[in-house]
Amino acid sequence: NAGVTQTPKFQVLKTGQSMTLQCAQDMNHNSMYWYRQDPGMGLRLIYYSASEGTTDKGEVPNGYNVSRLNKREFSLRLESAAPSQTSVYFCASSAVGYSNQPQHFGDGTRLSIL
Amino acid sequence: DQQVKQNSPSLSVQEGRISILNCDYTNSMFDYFLWYKKYPAEGPTFLISISSIKDKNEDGRFTVFLNKSAKHLSLHIVPSQPGDSAVYFCAVRDSGGSNYKLTFGKGTLLTVNP
Repeated sequence: NAGVTQTPKFQVLKTGQSMTLQCAQDMNHNSMYWYRQDPGMGLRLIYYSASEGTTDKGEVPNGYNVSRLNKREFSLRLESAAPSQTSVYFCASSAVGYSNQPQHFGDGTRLSIL
Repeated sequence: DQQVKQNSPSLSVQEGRISILNCDYTNSMFDYFLWYKKYPAEGPTFLISISSIKDKNEDGRFTVFLNKSAKHLSLHIVPSQPGDSAVYFCAVRDSGGSNYKLTFGKGTLLTVNP
């Protein structure tokens, strides 16, 4: 049972390059999320999708776009990467958002921008 | 301004003793509280949660206490084991906002020494 799968696991980009981080879940969850984790900062929400067909901004959305491709997949795109976007990115999913269901996380994508 | 504070970046305890991790929050509208554990190079995994209508929730060696008047959350691990060594994040949900969004603290690194 894979849970939440993120690809790639590691990536190095040059400033100005674009990149899409992929996330897929096999738990039939309605809601999906993208976070970034920086040293000493905890996890900060970038974007989330409460259900298929909807997306909303989180705490730190600038410089990112998202696509909820279908119920399983939620991608995060950096159109023009900047060194400040060097981080570890986590995708998560949860069952229907208004119930007390915890979010399940993938193992992260470690992204370095030079 | 930090809405969720974990004031101890690290904690070290002996195997078999109690570990107490603390979390303070500022907003009385938070209605659901969670603890996540994170090992290096892995995503956070859900550990235990508590609703604001309760003041204690137990699951095996893990107990979460909620003091609403003090806006304080704590996680007790008894007895502590070396495998508990990880970063622990507290997270909160705002009942007045989107039910889909969690706000995380910066984490506390727990080290359990054999």
